[in-house]
Amino acid sequence: AQKITQTQPGMFVQEKEAVTLDCTYDTSDPSYGLFWYKQPSSGEMIFLIYQGSYDQQNATEGRYSLNFQKARKSANLVISASQLGDSAMYFCAMREAENNNDMRFGAGTRLTVKP
Amino acid sequence: DSGVTQTPKHLITATGQRVTLRCSPRSGDLSVYWYQQSLDQGLQFLIQYYNGEERAKGNILERFSAQQFPDLHSELNLSSLELGDSALYFCASSQVARANTGELFFGEGSRLTVL
Repeated sequence: AQKITQTQPGMFVQEKEAVTLDCTYDTSDPSYGLFWYKQPSSGEMIFLIYQGSYDQQNATEGRYSLNFQKARKSANLVISASQLGDSAMYFCAMREAENNNDMRFGAGTRLTVKP
Repeated sequence: DSGVTQTPKHLITATGQRVTLRCSPRSGDLSVYWYQQSLDQGLQFLIQYYNGEERAKGNILERFSAQQFPDLHSELNLSSLELGDSALYFCASSQVARANTGELFFGEGSRLTVL
């Protein structure tokens, strides 16, 4: 069963504006981690941000923040002040403590930043 | 540079053939993961090893096998190749197997084309 859902196949944002990429997940494990990765056209997978299920505050890393709504099981990525270099595929992922901790990914969202 | 090394970067072969993809994890990382990324299937988890032992299995075909050696490098063997096996194969590593807080560090991938 799909445990990570990214409902936006593609998103467009104007340079310097903020954008939110959606991610919902499904788990019964109380201990899990949520991750966002960026995959530019060159193909490598770049880790962006992490949120633990027990973390009280939303994670932030520079221009990236994670809007974690535990009751809704959502972990949306917010990119502020978009740059042309942010154009890429973005993947939401989850690791569950009771599921051997292998990381499962959503289908991804392709973000295009317009000048 | 994630510190994870994958070879070869590109590989072109014919149907029915067998190939081996190699991965060297980051120094100190005991856990290795293999993923397949194809256009229609997204990032699919194949298999995980921890310190030489198989820890978790995902959507890995019976024609595929993997192992992790005492020096912690890993190999993914793909046999009786079919056109549909054409994909980008990622190796990733992390320090521990049962830590849902740890991000995975990805190699640059091996792009396999089956003709």
